[in-house]
Amino acid sequence: QVQLQQWGAGLLKPSETLSLTCAVYGGSFSGYYWNWIRQPPGKGLEWIGELRHIGSTYYNPSLTGRVTISVDTSQNQFSLRLSSVTAADTAVYYCVRSTYGYDLDSWGQGTLVTVSS
Amino acid sequence: DIQMTQSPSSLSASVGDRVTITCRASQGIRDDLGWYQQKPGKAPKRLIYAASSLQSGVPSRFSGSGSGTEFTLTISSLQPEDFATYFCLQHNSYPWTFGQGTKVEVK
Repeated sequence: QVQLQQWGAGLLKPSETLSLTCAVYGGSFSGYYWNWIRQPPGKGLEWIGELRHIGSTYYNPSLTGRVTISVDTSQNQFSLRLSSVTAADTAVYYCVRSTYGYDLDSWGQGTLVTVSS
Repeated sequence: DIQMTQSPSSLSASVGDRVTITCRASQGIRDDLGWYQQKPGKAPKRLIYAASSLQSGVPSRFSGSGSGTEFTLTISSLQPEDFATYFCLQHNSYPWTFGQGTKVEVK
């Protein structure tokens, strides 16, 4: 049974860079796709982007230019960086697994990131 | 972007009720749709994938139907643990997009 465990700074100031990491335990890392999703407090879900096991990435155009998803296959980890954050980036961020042709099947526990001066 | 219009945004129901939630896509997405349940403070949990396939371990009172642009999640007999918020997700084309959510509350 795969488990995703995530961590990162929970409080940022405007203009700083958000950085979160997600470790994958108990399952294969290759052969799957790795996503980040966010949810502002009391609101709906937004897909941030996807990293494929072959290294290619797809990002939400609403965040293009600020977002980077990277991978460390030696550690079975992948990371999210979001630059120049503002209060609008305050949200719970989730790392999530998907499979080719299918949607999001396994979720991390979520990390609340608050952007405040 | 494909817009997912989910309705209703909330509903009140009693234990034992049949509940239906709908998602409409702004363009055809074949059966590239999933349904998720989220409880307060928790990560979403997948209930249905490929529009109508039941996720392993999910009770059979949950079912999904539809293809193209119209999709439905049905709970045949609402149980106390089913009071939650439900989302649909299309993964037909990037960026993947979610419905706005339906909060199922106690009547």
